[in-house]
Amino acid sequence: KAGVTQTPRYLIKTRGQQVTLSCSPISGHRSVSWYQQTPGQGLQFLFEYFSETQRNKGNFPGRFSGRQFSNSRSEMNVSTLELGDSALYLCASSPETGATPYEQYFGPGTRLTVT
Amino acid sequence: KNEVEQSPQNLTAQEGEFITINCSYSVGISALHWLQQHPGGGIVSLFMLSSGKKKHGRLIATINIQEKHSSLHITASHPRDSAVYICAEGGADGLTFGKGTHLIIQP
Repeated sequence: KAGVTQTPRYLIKTRGQQVTLSCSPISGHRSVSWYQQTPGQGLQFLFEYFSETQRNKGNFPGRFSGRQFSNSRSEMNVSTLELGDSALYLCASSPETGATPYEQYFGPGTRLTVT
Repeated sequence: KNEVEQSPQNLTAQEGEFITINCSYSVGISALHWLQQHPGGGIVSLFMLSSGKKKHGRLIATINIQEKHSSLHITASHPRDSAVYICAEGGADGLTFGKGTHLIIQP
């Protein structure tokens, strides 16, 4: 099976712009989670989607949003970009086997630089 | 809110040494994850455990639920084990991560 893929891998944006990142989970996985990694804060949970519904949300401002499509692919959007949004954005997918908790399979990440 | 603490933050060792990385968390969890991150950012899930011990090759992970503590051990360490190792607790509100342990294995 192909792994989790994320596009684009690198992105440079200007303050005030918006950005959309895409994540394609492993085939058959219905849960997709998004994470932000910065040198100062480390890894932080953004949100999780399952069957097109947001199931959990981390402590991030409303400028960060996401969605999941019927084929389980997910997008996250950041509006009104700030310099502090520069980070590695990772998505991870999980199989839903009916037994919790679930192992997470990470994508390679999208490195966003805001200038 | 759960807090996850790892130690040490940095660890340099010689090839062949036995490595131990520790992780403590503050509240009850559903699972403890150990992740490996190489330069460039890619993260690999090494273990997910709720109790006891798991082993995969030269890697061993243990967890003590009563003491809220987990350890990751690497036996016969090799330079290719050089990476950042991150523990994370999996609760109802998504994963909460430790700051990571930067491990360097010198030949």
